[in-house]
Order: sequence, then C-alpha cells, then structure tokens
Amino acid sequence: AQSVTQPDIHITVSEGASLELRCNYSYGATPYLFWYVQSPGQGLQLLLKYFSGDTLVQGIKGFEAEFKRSQSSFNLRKPSVHWSDAAEYFCAVGPSAGNKLTFGGGTRVLVKP
Amino acid sequence: IAGITQAPTSQILAAGRRMTLRCTQDMRHNAMYWYRQDLGLGLRLIHYSNTAGTTGKGEVPDGYSVSRANTDDFPLTLASAVPSQTSVYFCASSARTGYNEQFFGPGTRLTVL
Repeated sequence: AQSVTQPDIHITVSEGASLELRCNYSYGATPYLFWYVQSPGQGLQLLLKYFSGDTLVQGIKGFEAEFKRSQSSFNLRKPSVHWSDAAEYFCAVGPSAGNKLTFGGGTRVLVKP
Repeated sequence: IAGITQAPTSQILAAGRRMTLRCTQDMRHNAMYWYRQDLGLGLRLIHYSNTAGTTGKGEVPDGYSVSRANTDDFPLTLASAVPSQTSVYFCASSARTGYNEQFFGPGTRLTVL
C-alpha cells in the first residue's frame, strides 16, 4: 500500500531564511508526486507536481522540489520565505492511473518576523 | 468564477441526525472526490466518482454515502452522524482520473455532538 510520511509536524523559520520540508513516500511503482499548500481556513492549492523527466521541479510562489528515487523522497524547498508562506503543506503520492491520492500528515510552517 | 463551492461552511449537528454536505463544480471535470481532514492524519479519501453515474469507495467510506447524478454535483451524506465524524470535509475535482491536478473546495467544518 502506498504511504506518505512528513516527519516534521511543525517548522518555524525566520522571514528571509530558507525552508526545506521533507516528504518520504512508499510506493511500488513510479509515483506521481504533489505538494499542496493550505492557508488558514482555505482549501488546498497545488504548488507543484512531478510525473516524469527532470527531477527538479519548479512550482508557484518560488517553491521547488526534488525527486530522489534512491531515497524515496520529494522534499520541498524555498530559498527565502515570506510571511505569507505561513501555512500547512501537504505532500501526496498517486498512481499512474486511478483515483487514489495518498496524503501525508502535513507540516505546519510558522514564519517569524 | 470557476471553481468548487461547498455548503454549508460549517455545521454543528446532533449525533444521530442525517446531514448532506453539498459540492458543486463548474469546471466540467469528470472526476470528483470527498476527503476528510483530521489533525495529524492529513486528508483521507472517503468516496470518489470517476464520471457521472459512477461512484467508488475510498480509504474511509463507512458511515458515508455519495451520489453523482450529473457532472457538476457530488453530495456527501451522513445517514446517522456520530461524534467521530467531526472533521473538516473537502470536495475536490479533476479533469480526469489519475495524475491530473485535483482542485479543492474551501471545505465544510462539521461538528457532531
């Protein structure tokens, strides 16, 4: 069965500092990987996705993620965070066909001034 | 404005009552989904529909039912609510099943007492 682990429940980062959110997945075949962001009281918005090709994926809002097959990881990064990046971030994995997206438990990011 | 609407925004419900959460999308997406979000567990798939007239069970379907009479609407019904169904419920849709981006509604916060 597929699963996603986000080891960090909370991360606090200073504004302007770099951010890295960890995501490890378990999946038997080639995964389709996603990062979503949820601002307080809002639904989820897609930041970026990986299906194939270049393992470094660029997304919206200045985020990027790197797929590392050997480590079963898909970590999200941002070089310099803004106060508006305070939110909860979810990693998700899906199959090449079918409906099931499996989400990680989420990482809540707090941004200090 | 294109997107997904959910109603109600929030609801407090007595245990044993019947409740239907509404979801409507205007993007003409084939696939629709219902998730519940619980702290530390991320989002878990309740039911899904690949196309109008078909539905399927997700990870946590017990106590919930859905119908898909047309492309736009995908209501979720709790026949007899229990306190463990207290959660935030998100409806989502995608242009087709599998690896396409899922778009999320703003959510319904349900409290069952």
